Amino acid sequence: GAGVSQSPSNKVTEKGKDVELRCDPISGHTALYWYRQSLGQGLEFLIYFQGNSAPDKSGLPSDRFSAERTGGSVSTLTIQRTQQEDSAVYLCASSLEGRPIDGYTFGSGTRLTVV
Amino acid sequence: DQQVKQNSPSLSVQEGRISILNCDYTNSMFDYFLWYKKYPAEGPTFLISISSIKDKNEDGRFTVFLNKSAKHLSLHIVPSQPGDSAVYFCAARNSGNTPLVFGKGTRLSVIA
Repeated sequence: GAGVSQSPSNKVTEKGKDVELRCDPISGHTALYWYRQSLGQGLEFLIYFQGNSAPDKSGLPSDRFSAERTGGSVSTLTIQRTQQEDSAVYLCASSLEGRPIDGYTFGSGTRLTVV
Repeated sequence: DQQVKQNSPSLSVQEGRISILNCDYTNSMFDYFLWYKKYPAEGPTFLISISSIKDKNEDGRFTVFLNKSAKHLSLHIVPSQPGDSAVYFCAARNSGNTPLVFGKGTRLSVIA
């Protein structure tokens, strides 16, 4: 597609439920990133996929968070047993390799509200 | 510990004047610095970047200045326009495809 696509755009869930957030990166982009933005905060890095390498999971806040990337394209971020502090906008981004000065392209995000 | 700091949460500027957004960083290993602009309900969009071997990069109304010794960069917008009203994020990274580290953002309001 022309840009990074995320779904759903909004998700309201009850505390304790599991949620899945989806990201479709730009075709041909080998790097894929997940960030989240909590109210009044900056963008917090969660996880990063680069080609066939093992993902960098150093930003995941707890073991309730996991992500996978199938076939080097679509990625799913899963949050198990959601808590109210998980409420945030979850942003996915993708980029080409070898051009660190170009930054990356973000999707519009999924706004997650845990009630 | 915040590696990228934007100490001004908000800034208000009159249309036509210069907007200066500031950013400080602590990690001397950062090689690339980027500015992103974010409108409500949209993802951040890339604006301008600079590598550590330069001290200035200009693109139209936008100029980024880097002072490596002070670990400080700034984004200048001149002349400011109402459409520039948005949240601006400063970000930095090491070489390669390491994840960008973002500041908390500065909300710019350009008043007509």
